[in-house]
Order: sequence, then structure tokens, then C-alpha cells
Amino acid sequence: DIQMTQSPSSLSASVGDRVTITCRASQSISSYLNWYQQKPGKAPKLLIYAASSLQSGVPSRFSGSGSGTDFTLTISSLQPEDFATYYCQQSYSTPEFGPGTKVDIK
Amino acid sequence: QITLKESGPTLVKPTQTLTLTCTFSGFSLSTSGVGVGWIRQPPGKALEWLALIYWNDDKRYSPSLKSRLTITKDTSKNQVVLTMTNMDPVDTATYYCAHRPRGYSLLFDYWGQGTLVTVSS
Repeated sequence: DIQMTQSPSSLSASVGDRVTITCRASQSISSYLNWYQQKPGKAPKLLIYAASSLQSGVPSRFSGSGSGTDFTLTISSLQPEDFATYYCQQSYSTPEFGPGTKVDIK
Repeated sequence: QITLKESGPTLVKPTQTLTLTCTFSGFSLSTSGVGVGWIRQPPGKALEWLALIYWNDDKRYSPSLKSRLTITKDTSKNQVVLTMTNMDPVDTATYYCAHRPRGYSLLFDYWGQGTLVTVSS
């Protein structure tokens, strides 16, 4: 099984901040990495697929990078609606989600 | 537009079998490459993928839960059904169904609202 880890597990940030979340796979997954945003009481929303492709309708302040085992999700200028939990998910083999990173207000 | 909605019991007793139905619209599960999956999330915890069924009836299961899961589809009714046997309190979670688009790896671009299932005697 491929294990996914994320860091940090939580962070506090202010509106306008640049935020970076890291996801690491226990073995190489090429670019088979997706990012989701989840707000309390809501279903996850796909943000980024294939490590760096922006899902249709997602603001351009979200970006993804990486390949192999190390990946990042960057929010260039945090907006009030971005406070949420973010999950990475590998789709190289049996899908596995990371443990999540909660972004809250500083 | 694509929509999905989960339905089923909100409370099940330990050892019982859970049956959940995903009713969807806006796509056909007879379209090549399309799939519908199930993902769950215990309260306050992370997401866990459970199962997926493809347009051609190919099925995939989480290795850790494979012995307890069955996924089926009824293309004419636009429904996917997940059954999970021998329910335990640790299976208490919100259960989501989601659309797997054609032409991509195993990701989910549209999700249902989720249904909370509590396992308790």
C-alpha cells in the first residue's frame, strides 16, 4: 500500500497570506496526485488533478506542483472562503487520501 | 449538470448489513470510462476510499474492506448500490458517492452531499 502524509496537520494564516501545504507519498506515484478542499459539513471539492492541473472553475490562486513522492499545494493569496481542510489523494494505485491539513484564521 | 445523492439508513446495529444507494443524474454509467465510487469519513477524521464500479461493470475495492463490500449498478435506474456487511461502531461515518470522470486516473470530480450512518445498538 502507498501511504500518504501531509504537513503541516494544521496552520493558521491571515487573509492575503501565501500558504503552502506538502504531501508526501511512501513511494513514487509519478504525477498521480490530486488535491481536494473540504469545508465543514460539506463534501470534498476537487481543486487540482495530475499534480498541477487546475480543475475547471477553481480560482487561479490555487496551484499544485511536484512529482514522484513530494508534492505541494499553494494558495498564492489566501481568501476568506479558503479556510478549510485540504486533502491530497494518490491515484497511482488503490486510492489513498492523506490525513488532511486544516487551514484556519490567524 | 452532474448530481449525486446518497440514501439509506441513518442508524444500523452492530453485525447488521448496511445498504446504501447512490442516485445520480447528468451522466450515464454506460458511457465508456465513467465510474462511481464510494468514500467515507468518520467524524473528525480523514477520507477513506471504499469501492468503485466502472461503466463496464469492472469493480475495485479497498483491500482492507474487500471481504465486507459489494458494489453493484443499475444503469437503467441511474443507481449504484454499496453493501457493507458486519457493521461495527468504528464504521460510523459520513458515506459519500462520487463521479469518476472518463479519461482520468482514479479521482472524483463530483460528490454527493453525503449521508451519516451511525452504528450503535
